[in-house]
Amino acid sequence: DVKVTQSSRYLVKRTGEKVFLECVQDMDHENMFWYRQDPGLGLRLIYFSYDVKMKEKGDIPEGYSVSREKKERFSLILESASTNQTSMYLCASSLEILPLHFGNGTRLTVT
Amino acid sequence: KNEVEQSPQNLTAQEGEFITINCSYSVGISALHWLQQHPGGGIVSLFMLSSGKKKHGRLIATINIQEKHSSLHITASHPRDSAVYICAAAPNYGGATNKLIFGTGTLLAVQP
Repeated sequence: DVKVTQSSRYLVKRTGEKVFLECVQDMDHENMFWYRQDPGLGLRLIYFSYDVKMKEKGDIPEGYSVSREKKERFSLILESASTNQTSMYLCASSLEILPLHFGNGTRLTVT
Repeated sequence: KNEVEQSPQNLTAQEGEFITINCSYSVGISALHWLQQHPGGGIVSLFMLSSGKKKHGRLIATINIQEKHSSLHITASHPRDSAVYICAAAPNYGGATNKLIFGTGTLLAVQP
C-alpha cells in the first residue's frame, strides 16, 4: 500500500511565523501535490511537483512556497503565516494522473 | 459555475437505504476519481474510472462520458459509510501537468 505521511496532524502557529509542512511518500511517485481544504470551497491546489527540484503553481500559490530536494519529500512553506492560512492542508502523490494517494492532513491554526 | 458539481451537498439516510451521489462536469476528462473522507481523517481513494461501471463491495461507481456525469451508489448503507464523498475530474487538456478539478463534496450521514 502507498503511504503518504504528513509530519503533523495538528499545528498552531502565530501570525508572522515561518511554517514548514512536511510530506513523505514511500512509493517512488513522480508527482506530489499540496492542497488546502476549506468548508464550502473543496480542495484547492496550492503547488505541485512532477520531478525533483521541479515545481508548478496551482490555483492558490500566493503566500506559499515549496521545496522538493528529494523524490520522496515535498515540503510546503508558509513564509509569514497569516490568519487566512488557517486551514486543513493535504498532501498527495501519484505515479500517473490518477489515482491520487493522500496523507492524513495537517490542520493548521494561525492565531 | 464550478466545472465539477456534486449533488446533493448534504444527505441523511437511514441504515439500509440505497444512496446515490451525483457528479456532473463541464470539461472533457480522461478519468474521474471518487474519494472518501471520514471526519478528521485523510482522504481515501474509492474508484478511478474512465468508462462504464466499477464495483467494490457495497459501492458502485458509474460514468457516462457523453452526458458528462458520474454517480456513486452505496447499497445497504451503514453508519460507518458516514463521510464526505468527493469527485475529482482529470481534464484531458494541459499536457503533462496534472490538475484535478474537485467537487465540493457530499456530506453523508447514515443514521442507525
